[in-house]
Amino acid sequence: DQQVKQNSPSLSVQEGRISILNCDYTNSMFDYFLWYKKYPAEGPTFLISISSIKDKNEDGRFTVFLNKSAKHLSLHIVPSQPGDSAVYFCAAITGSSNTGKLIFGQGTTLQVKP
Amino acid sequence: KAGVTQTPRYLIKTRGQQVTLSCSPISGHRSVSWYQQTPGQGLQFLFEYFSETQRNKGNFPGRFSGRQFSNSRSEMNVSTLELGDSALYLCASSPRTVNTGELFFGEGSRLTVL
Repeated sequence: DQQVKQNSPSLSVQEGRISILNCDYTNSMFDYFLWYKKYPAEGPTFLISISSIKDKNEDGRFTVFLNKSAKHLSLHIVPSQPGDSAVYFCAAITGSSNTGKLIFGQGTTLQVKP
Repeated sequence: KAGVTQTPRYLIKTRGQQVTLSCSPISGHRSVSWYQQTPGQGLQFLFEYFSETQRNKGNFPGRFSGRQFSNSRSEMNVSTLELGDSALYLCASSPRTVNTGELFFGEGSRLTVL
């Protein structure tokens, strides 16, 4: 039972253009949604998050959109840079008793071409 | 501030052996959680420790265990290793003051079971 799904294993975009990474979820009890970025041979690093009571959160070039009715969230990167090439994981968490228990999607490999 | 440190970074074991992995969290972080990353299953939650107590456990067999010490350092142990245990094991820490899901990951321990 995969509660968080990233249906696109990979995405390739040109430098300077917009990258849009998508994520779907099934559990309406999730309180926060997060995006993590992972480079090879490194651990995931936190990128941006959004509370379930919001529909948008922006941080510099990164914006996360949440559509609760569709149980869908997306990460927009504008403009995309070659250094953004990495694996992006969508994650979700429920409740105050589950601090360390993130549910991750399978990841999307983003390649930004110069 | 030093990040999350995991040792060893790489190790090779044979089936039936056991392994112990170590994690030192960021100073001041009292919550440590462990994840297994495999190509087929993505990132999966193993367990979380807080104040030396296991607070959450994922869906892994009893061969996977862990503990946390009074200085918040944590170890995880896998007994009777199977080929399918080959994976990247990631440790993450958080201050656990607010449950937003933001975790700080180490670089991981890459386990190969032959």
